[in-house]
Amino acid sequence: AQSVAQPEDQVNVAEGNPLTVKCTYSVSGNPYLFWYVQYPNRGLQFLLKYITGDNLVKGSYGFEAEFNKSQTSFHLKKPSALVSDSALYFCAVRDIRQAGTALIFGKGTTLSVSS
Amino acid sequence: GAGVSQSPSNKVTEKGKDVELRCDPISGHTALYWYRQSLGQGLEFLIYFQGNSAPDKSGLPSDRFSAERTGGSVSTLTIQRTQQEDSAVYLCASSNLGGQFGNTIYFGEGSWLTVV
Repeated sequence: AQSVAQPEDQVNVAEGNPLTVKCTYSVSGNPYLFWYVQYPNRGLQFLLKYITGDNLVKGSYGFEAEFNKSQTSFHLKKPSALVSDSALYFCAVRDIRQAGTALIFGKGTTLSVSS
Repeated sequence: GAGVSQSPSNKVTEKGKDVELRCDPISGHTALYWYRQSLGQGLEFLIYFQGNSAPDKSGLPSDRFSAERTGGSVSTLTIQRTQQEDSAVYLCASSNLGGQFGNTIYFGEGSWLTVV
């Protein structure tokens, strides 16, 4: 089965501190993993993806994610959080079982960055 | 256009009425997806189009929901006899070469549907 789990509903961090938003996955075969961000009353914006290659993936707005095969994790990270990073973050895995290989999303994690 | 375009951005409708939601994908994208986002349900996959064809319609919540795509471009999601539980954000997304696992799927801003 293809699935992702985001164990934290909310993450709180002070501006300037590093942030981590956790994601674990369960897949049959190779994982194709994605992170999206949703700002209030907006659609989803693509941040980054892991397909193959380097375990550390760099994306938009200074975000990066570390793929860890042994721990089946794909945590989103940023060295120094900004208040403007406050948003809802979704981890997703490509569903390779179905024709369209649609994304299967986690429940989302709300990131709150305080000044 | 530069991104996925959806209309209307907001729709308030009375229970029992039909609604149509439109999606204009990124130019050249052959794959088109519809998702529903509702409180407590997260992001729910509804249907996928490759060109004008939808191989699997099993994600549609009920037979009140239908979708079509014409000319390999614009798609319409229709909800007949709307119910209050249909209130949600309907997100459309597109991708180049559906079925390619590494391709990025890009989302529109969504159509916010409220059934009163």
